[in-house]
Amino acid sequence: DTAVSQTPKYLVTQMGNDKSIKCEQNLGHDTMYWYKQDSKKFLKIMFSYNNKELIINETVPNRFSPKSPDKAHLNLHINSLELGDSAVYFCASSQDLARDGELFFGEGSRLTVL
Amino acid sequence: SQKIEQNSEALNIQEGKTATLTCNYTNYSPAYLQWYRQDPGRGPVFLLLIRENEKEKRKERLKVTFDTTLKQSLFHITASQPADSATYLCALGGSGTYKYIFGTGTRLKVLA
Repeated sequence: DTAVSQTPKYLVTQMGNDKSIKCEQNLGHDTMYWYKQDSKKFLKIMFSYNNKELIINETVPNRFSPKSPDKAHLNLHINSLELGDSAVYFCASSQDLARDGELFFGEGSRLTVL
Repeated sequence: SQKIEQNSEALNIQEGKTATLTCNYTNYSPAYLQWYRQDPGRGPVFLLLIRENEKEKRKERLKVTFDTTLKQSLFHITASQPADSATYLCALGGSGTYKYIFGTGTRLKVLA
């Protein structure tokens, strides 16, 4: 049973379109994250939610909007897609905001913008 | 600005040898340091965490050291196996922040 699952795994779309990536965790964790991994494999945090409350919002364009309907789900909606948005997006969770907590990652969603 | 450097080149070693990966950082005082393994097309998987007041941590064939004076962590895999081939990422967490900053990773290849 997958702990952190994301859909879709692959997403190919045209510039200017809007797309969403969904994430669900069945670990009972309080905290969820979105990370972006670019072509150079650099993994950068975008957002973090704790019990549905936004905790971390890095310098990310307004076109990216996370939504957490409950603490087991964190979705990412992207408006007006640009070429530079092409990357692998990883959802992750941790038990809580404890700074020594390990992160559990999903398998990633590869977004390609043409 | 904060910077984390890992061996940018891939590391090739012979099976059975000890692999040593480095993680250097600047302009940062992490309270925690984690190591993750990432296989191609997969998400990172947690391996070990070490705190700033710990010099060394071990788990089976893995050993991590943390030197806050040198601003460096070393990650060792002893008796390496081809199955250990993957990219290894270090991640730093500060005491005053909830987020971890990741390095770009080192690709390890263990040759049979």
